[in-house]
Amino acid sequence: KQEVTQIPAALSVPEGENLVLNCSFTDSAIYNLQWFRQDPGKGLTSLLLIQSSQREQTSGRLNASLDKSSGRSTLYIAASQPGDSATYLCAVTGFNKFYFGSGTKLNVKP
Amino acid sequence: EAGVVQSPRYKIIEKKQPVAFWCNPISGHNTLYWYLQNLGQGPELLIRYENEEAVDDSQLPKDRFSAERLKGVDSTLKIQPAELGDSAVYLCASSQGSRTGELFFGEGSRLTVL
Repeated sequence: KQEVTQIPAALSVPEGENLVLNCSFTDSAIYNLQWFRQDPGKGLTSLLLIQSSQREQTSGRLNASLDKSSGRSTLYIAASQPGDSATYLCAVTGFNKFYFGSGTKLNVKP
Repeated sequence: EAGVVQSPRYKIIEKKQPVAFWCNPISGHNTLYWYLQNLGQGPELLIRYENEEAVDDSQLPKDRFSAERLKGVDSTLKIQPAELGDSAVYLCASSQGSRTGELFFGEGSRLTVL
């Protein structure tokens, strides 16, 4: 069974820092990997989708990479802002199923 | 383009009462999911529909939970009777395909059982 792990569970950084969030998965046979953002009391908002044939995707200050062979993905956030404070979750797609990590709770301090 | 719409956003009931949640997916998305999310955890799949067919309901507690997706569009998730442990956020999501499609979520329905 696919297992998805996100470390650290929580992260606090000062505004302006560049940071990396990690996602690891146990089974490299995936179709794609998706990063989400979740604000308190809200649903999940899709940030980036990386197809299994791709190595990375970029959107604004966000860059996500995928290394299937090592079972890892990273989400890079450049020049962090207080508005980036949220929980970030990754999910991998296996055979007709999405497997989610528990998320990294990010706090960006002004 | 409208996103995934869920209602109600919040529901407080006493144990043993019934409750129902409604979801309208993104237009054209044939795959619909219901997830349960507990505080501090990732979503857990309850049921997945391909059009109107429930193709994965292995994690749905069928003694008290039921779901339907009439005409392959809107969906309803019902709990009867509710238990204290059912307090959680119920998330609906949709995608154009279950293998490679991007997943889009609604705002969720937060259930509190007293």
